[in-house]
Amino acid sequence: DTGVSQDPRHKITKRGQNVTFRCDPISEHNRLYWYRQTLGQGPEFLTYFQNEAQLEKSRLLSDRFSAERPKGSFSTLEIQRTEQGDSAMYLCASSGPRRQGGTDTQYFGPGTRLTVL
Amino acid sequence: RKEVEQDPGPFNVPEGATVAFNCTYSNSASQSFFWYRQDCRKEPKLLMSVYSSGNEDGRFTAQLNRASQYISLLIRDSKLSDSATYLCVVNGKATGNKLTFGGGTRVLVKP
Repeated sequence: DTGVSQDPRHKITKRGQNVTFRCDPISEHNRLYWYRQTLGQGPEFLTYFQNEAQLEKSRLLSDRFSAERPKGSFSTLEIQRTEQGDSAMYLCASSGPRRQGGTDTQYFGPGTRLTVL
Repeated sequence: RKEVEQDPGPFNVPEGATVAFNCTYSNSASQSFFWYRQDCRKEPKLLMSVYSSGNEDGRFTAQLNRASQYISLLIRDSKLSDSATYLCVVNGKATGNKLTFGGGTRVLVKP
């Protein structure tokens, strides 16, 4: 157990509905990342926060997607007007301040599996 | 062309045998390299970082070739529990930033 938690673990929704996922990072970590993984592929980067600031967003993050980390702790990822192509595993990862000379290891949560019918 | 490319496999490995596989990356400015392991329907977990001089962790050995832009992973004395997908991962910056994953290499260790 890496300490990153995600909720819900599974979500089934109908096309056109909005969904929201939550990620709680490891408590001392200041960086939080969202990735998306489809079957047979590696995870793809969506967005990244350092504390409460969203510093980078992928082109994959269309205007139907929004992510927040209001207090620099937990984060939410919302998908509006879901489409069948949004079906995937949504993974959250966190990392802490890099120790001198060390690498910035990202630890992943168990993911939220989204199925859009 | 994908930024990180891997042979998807599967590599069917007899228990106790050695298996090795590579991945190639396209961004010559990449600074950090990792192997993650992912079990079916689970999250990726860090297996090991890959250092320029090469490094070993028990039965696992990772190598980095910056000139040819590839990373390798070798597993000795394969165990049934080594069956998983191995993800090659590259980070473009030394500090916290997005990871770029390969598609994974599936390894199946059989008795």
